[in-house]
Amino acid sequence: AQSVAQPEDQVNVAEGNPLTVKCTYSVSGNPYLFWYVQYPNRGLQFLLKYITGDNLVKGSYGFEAEFNKSQTSFHLKKPSALVSDSALYFCAVRDSVYGGATNKLIFGTGTLLAVQP
Amino acid sequence: NAGVTQTPKFQVLKTGQSMTLQCAQDMNHEYMSWYRQDPGMGLRLIHYSVGAGITDQGEVPNGYNVSRSTTEDFPLRLLSAAPSQTSVYFCASSSTEGRHGYTFGSGTRLTVV
Repeated sequence: AQSVAQPEDQVNVAEGNPLTVKCTYSVSGNPYLFWYVQYPNRGLQFLLKYITGDNLVKGSYGFEAEFNKSQTSFHLKKPSALVSDSALYFCAVRDSVYGGATNKLIFGTGTLLAVQP
Repeated sequence: NAGVTQTPKFQVLKTGQSMTLQCAQDMNHEYMSWYRQDPGMGLRLIHYSVGAGITDQGEVPNGYNVSRSTTEDFPLRLLSAAPSQTSVYFCASSSTEGRHGYTFGSGTRLTVV
């Protein structure tokens, strides 16, 4: 069965330091992978995606993610964290069992990023 | 600039009451879905629809009904509210092909007492 794992409930980082939020996945076939961010009392906002092509994907707000097929990972990164990056981050993978017909997304449990000033 | 609109934003229900959470999108997306978000459990899929007249169950469908009479609207009905349905509910839509991810509504915070 398709699944997504975010092994860290919370990541703490000092402002200005690089950050990494981890995500691993398990799907059959080629994955569509996504990162979303959720600020307090808000809906989820799209950050970036990997469909095909370059393994390093750049997204909104200076975030990027690296697709690693051999390690089945899609870690979210940012070279220099900001206090305003503090939020809940979700990794998601499209359910390949149903392919494009249903477009179901499977979400990880989320990682709370806390950036200290 | 509406995207996905959810109403109401907040609701308190008594156990056994019924209600409908509204969701509307103006992007002509074929695919729509409902998720619930609970602490430590991420987002779990309740029901989804691939187009008008077509719906299917997700991971946690019990206690919820949906219908899709138009492309724009995808209401979620709670038949007889239970405290276990206290959660934040999100509606999302996307194109069928799915290459651009989902657009989410701002959520409905439901408390069942």
